[in-house]
Amino acid sequence: DARVTQTPRHKVTEMGQEVTMRCQPILGHNTVFWYRQTMMQGLELLAYFRNRAPLDDSGMPKDRFSAEMPDATLATLKIQPSEPRDSAVYFCASASVAQPQHFGDGTRLSIL
Amino acid sequence: TQLLEQSPQFLSIQEGENLTVYCNSSSVFSSLQWYRQEPGEGPVLLVTVVTGGEVKKLKRLTFQFGDARKDSSLHITAAQPGDTGLYLCAGAGSGGYQKVTFGTGTKLQVIP
Repeated sequence: DARVTQTPRHKVTEMGQEVTMRCQPILGHNTVFWYRQTMMQGLELLAYFRNRAPLDDSGMPKDRFSAEMPDATLATLKIQPSEPRDSAVYFCASASVAQPQHFGDGTRLSIL
Repeated sequence: TQLLEQSPQFLSIQEGENLTVYCNSSSVFSSLQWYRQEPGEGPVLLVTVVTGGEVKKLKRLTFQFGDARKDSSLHITAAQPGDTGLYLCAGAGSGGYQKVTFGTGTKLQVIP
């Protein structure tokens, strides 16, 4: 089965450090999403790309978060500087016109 | 902004019982997906319904899309511990699968 691959699966770091999360979408999917999931807020959309172009990043704190797709096989989400309130599970999902979103297993981020 | 409310938020039942989870909105969706998420993993797609009034069955799970395509339900017959997880509905607008609105989630616990 084709899968969305996310790395790392877990990340623990101190506040102020840069964090980079990576996602390899399913081959042939042209839309990539970044979500954040917490107990309090549930699943929140941070940003999404179509054909590598950013379409909507209104859910993302602009001052510290950035999302890019350097090529069709890699999407990145960076936090700099990180803060304790950024602690959450970050999910990447990919989709196409004919295929619903498929999710990776997430990056569990803890900022101390 | 399209909102999807799920009820109940939490459900704890004994093995063998039946249950229904509801997903409601004031907006019309072109299709609706149901996902199940287990601890430490990403949401996994269970089903997509696209036609008003459509009913789909997946073993002991029955999914229904409302006639007006604003709501959906998930019914589980004879629940088993393996059904435990977070159930999420997601509605797609006219743009197709490439952007969806996720529901608030229903956390189900099936006690052996």
